[in-house]
Amino acid sequence: ETGVTQTPRHLVMGMTNKKSLKCEQHLGHNAMYWYKQSAKKPLELMFVYSLEERVENNSVPSRFSPECPNSSHLFLHLHTLQPEDSALYLCASSQVLGEGGEQYFGPGTRLTVT
Amino acid sequence: GQNIDQPTEMTATEGAIVQINCTYQTSGFNGLFWYQQHAGEAPTFLSYNVLDGLEEKGRFSSFLSRSKGYSYLLLKELQMKDSASYLCAVKDSNYQLIWGAGTKLIIKP
Repeated sequence: ETGVTQTPRHLVMGMTNKKSLKCEQHLGHNAMYWYKQSAKKPLELMFVYSLEERVENNSVPSRFSPECPNSSHLFLHLHTLQPEDSALYLCASSQVLGEGGEQYFGPGTRLTVT
Repeated sequence: GQNIDQPTEMTATEGAIVQINCTYQTSGFNGLFWYQQHAGEAPTFLSYNVLDGLEEKGRFSSFLSRSKGYSYLLLKELQMKDSASYLCAVKDSNYQLIWGAGTKLIIKP
């Protein structure tokens, strides 16, 4: 138990669906992250929030839309996804953005797009 | 471009020692992390090196040489529960983590 929870743990959706992934951290951290993990590939950083403001958007398609309503919660809204978006989506948090500071990961949402 | 290289897969025997290497080429360096990830679970933090040398933490040790762009994770007295993927990540000049693809470690009895 890392103090970061994600729901749902598994999600199957069609290409025309709209769904949202939820992340919550109970660690009092100020930075939160969304990563995509595909088999045998490095973790891909998608979005970074620091004190509820987005500070990084690594050329992610607009069909992925993040939302950070407060420092404890992070959402990833999904719409009109493609089969190649099937992957494990990991949320992480760290105390601050920047020096030192390991990231604490949630268990991930296994997403399958049909 | 930025690059982290580590072996795709390694096999070792229970009770033995294994060394997992990681080489990196990044724009700037602000520390190197090792994470462990069991199948279907979240990555969990193992170690952090920002200065050259060896950091020891129980059965696990991590070494860093910044001049060589090289690190290794050393696991001693291997146990079956050490079967997992081990991820190397470097924090670059923008404090962004650059990740390797991970090394899958298989432990045999």
